[in-house]
Parts: sequence; structure tokens; C-alpha cells
Amino acid sequence: DAGVTQSPTHLIKTRGQHVTLRCSPISGHKSVSWYQQVLGQGPQFIFQYYEKEERGRGNFPDRFSARQFPNYSSELNVNALLLGDSALYLCASSPSGGGDEKLFFGSGTQLSVL
Amino acid sequence: EDQVTQSPEALRLQEGESSSLNCSYTVSGLRGLFWYRQDPGKGPEFLFTLYSAGEEKEKERLKATLTKKESFLHITAPKPEDSATYLCAVQQYGNKLVFGAGTILRVKS
Repeated sequence: DAGVTQSPTHLIKTRGQHVTLRCSPISGHKSVSWYQQVLGQGPQFIFQYYEKEERGRGNFPDRFSARQFPNYSSELNVNALLLGDSALYLCASSPSGGGDEKLFFGSGTQLSVL
Repeated sequence: EDQVTQSPEALRLQEGESSSLNCSYTVSGLRGLFWYRQDPGKGPEFLFTLYSAGEEKEKERLKATLTKKESFLHITAPKPEDSATYLCAVQQYGNKLVFGAGTILRVKS
């Protein structure tokens, strides 16, 4: 069975540009979450979506936005990129987004902002 | 604010040398404590969930325990393939986890 897939795997952008990251959850999973992982740190929660509705938002600026589609895939958008946005962006899926579910993570998108 | 602190930052072991990783947490009310393993270039992989003090879970050479303020990940007779970063996280709500910075484990043969 396919796991969580993310695209692209690597991306290089310059300051001020916009980026869109994509995620396909495990088949049957309806909840998708996004995390940012800066080198040497643990992942930090950005968003959770369930059935196309936002379930939670972390402490990130409004430059970060996301959406979930009817097929449960998701996009993370970041506008006006800053150098500090350079990080590994992880997508995770779970069956229903309930708190007692384990998250299945993808391998991430490595974003470099120059 | 919920906080998770892991120690040590890095740990080098010889193959077969058992040890423990520590995760200290401060939460308003523990809903669940999670352990994940992360290999270089990969996303975290789920290991365990613990919910209440005194709870223990085991998987192969790993055993996770939980107290009211800490969790330990005990590694018995580790092998080189156990080398990875081990992440601890507490659940706030839904799929929102607060992660520690992780412990980088290197096991040499």
C-alpha cells in the first residue's frame, strides 16, 4: 500500500516568491496535517484539515495557508518567502484526525529559500 | 504553554550497550505522549503512544515508560540499525503534537 506521498521532494526558491507543496494521504485517511521541521529541531505544527475543514492552526503567520480537496489530498501555500522559511515540510495523515490516532508522515519537501 | 524537552541531544553507544533516552514534559493535561523514530531524509515513523503514568509499551529492543513528568525510551542491546533520531511529542488536540528537539542516537558495531 502506498504511504503518504509529497511533492516535490526538493525545491529552491528566492525571497519574496510563492510556493505550493502537495500531499496525498494514505488511501482511506481523511485527515491531513502539515508540520515544519527546521534543521536540528522537532517538527512544528502548522495546520490540520479534516473533510476539507480546518481543524487546527499553529502559530504561523498568515503567509501560510492550506486547503484540502474532495479526494482528501492537500496543498500548503506559502507567500512572500523569507530565508527563515527554509525547512523540511512534512505532511501527515490519519484516518479521522482524532487525538488517539497515530500519524503517518510522508518523507517531506525540503524547501530552500535563497 | 506545553513544552517537551529531550535529553541527551546526542548519544553514542556500542552495539549491545543498553541505555535510556529522556523526555520531560509540561502540559496542562496529558492526552497522549508519542514516540517517533526519524531516519535521515525521511519523515517520523510512529513507535508508541502512552496515556497514563505507569504505562509501559515494548517493541523489539525498545521499551517506553511514562511518569507524571517524564517518559523514558529504553534501548536494550542496540544494533547499528537502531541509529536514528528519536522524537518525543505530547498531544494538544486533534493531530496537533508538540515535539521535542529529539535525541540523535548512533550505535557503532
